[in-house]
Amino acid sequence: EADIYQTPRYLVIGTGKKITLECSQTMGHDKMYWYQQDPGMELHLIHYSYGVNSTEKGDLSSESTVSRIRTEHFPLTLESARPSHTSQYLCASSEGLYAGGANVLTFGAGSRLTVL
Amino acid sequence: AQSVTQLGSHVSVSEGALVLLRCNYSSSVPPYLFWYVQYPNQGLQLLLKYTTGATLVKGINGFEAEFKKSETSFHLTKPSAHMSDAAEYFCAVTLPGQGGKLIFGQGTELSVKP
Repeated sequence: EADIYQTPRYLVIGTGKKITLECSQTMGHDKMYWYQQDPGMELHLIHYSYGVNSTEKGDLSSESTVSRIRTEHFPLTLESARPSHTSQYLCASSEGLYAGGANVLTFGAGSRLTVL
Repeated sequence: AQSVTQLGSHVSVSEGALVLLRCNYSSSVPPYLFWYVQYPNQGLQLLLKYTTGATLVKGINGFEAEFKKSETSFHLTKPSAHMSDAAEYFCAVTLPGQGGKLIFGQGTELSVKP
């Protein structure tokens, strides 16, 4: 079954640690996205990619970085975690060929990060 | 720039009652509009979308939404609420040529009372 997977689902870590949130999809989608979601707040786009070796920053400034070396894999990295990074991070993907851009995003279950 | 406003962060209805979740958008050109649902500890799932054509859009689980350009609205309705409808609902907008990047509203939490 085609799907999008995020690991870890939950992570509690101390300040200053390096973390990588993994995101993989089995659908062969060209476009992938990272959204940040705080409780009771809207989702904010922090990174997106339109294909291998393509990455762009989203509307919300983030200290995280991403890479897209393989189509199916879009990891997010924080070099030095801080309490302000505590949030839920949602990965999504979509096909790149829908005319006009009304692509449906398929979301992963999310990674909930807590930085102490 | 486009934006989305969801009126009411919490909505509570009785089982069997009408569900109405409000969404208004701001856009300089005709947008594409979406409703997503998020169940606890899960990612977002598409309920329905409007691109062009018929303004009344039917989605999964008995939900539907109507695009009203004059009111810049895209409200989500369901005639009869079920306990399993309890979840967070997000309205989202994108514009043609924006590569599928969605702008989300702040979400509305729907509670269903027995």
